[in-house]
Formats: sequence, C-alpha cells, structure tokens
Amino acid sequence: AQSVTQPDIHITVSEGASLELRCNYSYGATPYLFWYVQSPGQGLQLLLKYFSGDTLVQGIKGFEAEFKRSQSSFNLRKPSVHWSDAAEYFCAVVHPNAGGTSYGKLTFGQGTILTVHP
Amino acid sequence: DVKVTQSSRYLVKRTGEKVFLECVQDMDHENMFWYRQDPGLGLRLIYFSYDVKMKEKGDIPEGYSVSREKKERFSLILESASTNQTSMYLCASSTMDVIGQFFGPGTRLTVL
Repeated sequence: AQSVTQPDIHITVSEGASLELRCNYSYGATPYLFWYVQSPGQGLQLLLKYFSGDTLVQGIKGFEAEFKRSQSSFNLRKPSVHWSDAAEYFCAVVHPNAGGTSYGKLTFGQGTILTVHP
Repeated sequence: DVKVTQSSRYLVKRTGEKVFLECVQDMDHENMFWYRQDPGLGLRLIYFSYDVKMKEKGDIPEGYSVSREKKERFSLILESASTNQTSMYLCASSTMDVIGQFFGPGTRLTVL
C-alpha cells in the first residue's frame, strides 16, 4: 500500500540552529510531493512542492526540500531556525497518474512537531 | 487572496446529535476534501468531492456523510455523533491540476 512516513514525531532545536525534517514515501512511481506547516490553532499552509525537474525545491519562509529518488525521500531543511518556526510539519504525496476522481487526493504523513528553544 | 472558511472554530455536541460542519471556498475549485486530524495519526481523508453532487469515500468514511449542492460549499455530516468522533476537522480545496490543496482553519469538535 502507498504510504508516507515521517520518522520523527517530535524534534527540538535551538533558535539559529539548522533543521532537517525527514519524509519517506512508498509508491510505485515518483509521486508529487508537498510539505505543509500547521501553526497552533491554524489550518495547514503549503510550504513547497515538487512535481519534476530540479530536485532541490525552494519554498516560503526560507525552507527548502530535496527530492532523492534513490532514497524515496523528500526531506525539509532550513539553515537557521527562528522561534516562529515552531509548529507541526506534514509531508504529503499524491500519485501523479491517479487520474479520474482520485486526482488531487493527498496522503499525509503522521506529522513532526517542531519545538524551538531560545 | 484565496480563502477556505469553516463555519465554526469550536463546537461541542452531545452523543447522538446530528452535526453539520460547513466549508466554503471562494476560489472556484473543483475538488473539495474533508479530513480529520488526530495526534500521531496525521490527517486522514474522510470524503472528497470532485464536482457538484459528486462524492467519493476517503480512508475513514464510516459514521460520516457529505453534501455538495453548490461548487463553493462542501458539508460534512455526522448523522449520530459519537465520542470517538471528537477531533479536529479540516476542509480543503484544490483545482484539478494538483497544485496543492488550500486548507481552512479547522473545526475542533468535542462530542460529550
């Protein structure tokens, strides 16, 4: 079955430190890949997405993600974390050839909660 | 600015009540989705709709139904609320070409 795994439930970093959040997927073909962020009490906001082409994708708020086909991974990174980055982060995928009525249906990982220490 | 709105941010209902959660989007999107979010489980798809009056079951449809009478509005219905339906409910919409879903702020439902 198709699945998305975020191995880290909770990560704590100090403000100014670098960050990497892991995401692995299990699909027959390379899916479309997304990272969303959810601040406390808020809905989800799209950080970045990968469909094809350059495997390093730039997003909003200074985030980037790298697609590695050989590792079936799409890890999210930020070189210097700010206190306002504390939130829950979700990796999500959609099958590019889903077609028909399944088109656009996302599968989410379990989420990673990021805590930022001052 | 794109917008997905949900009728309530917080809702408290009693077991057995019929509950309606409303979602409206102003982006003329074809697809609309209902998810529930529980700690450690991420977001799980309940139902989605790809057109007016069209719906498909997601991963966890049991105990829920939906209605889409107009393109901009997608309603989630709990026919007889139960305590295990206490959760955060998120609505989302997207176009057919998969540029990413836009989410509403969520409704935190408590069933007593």
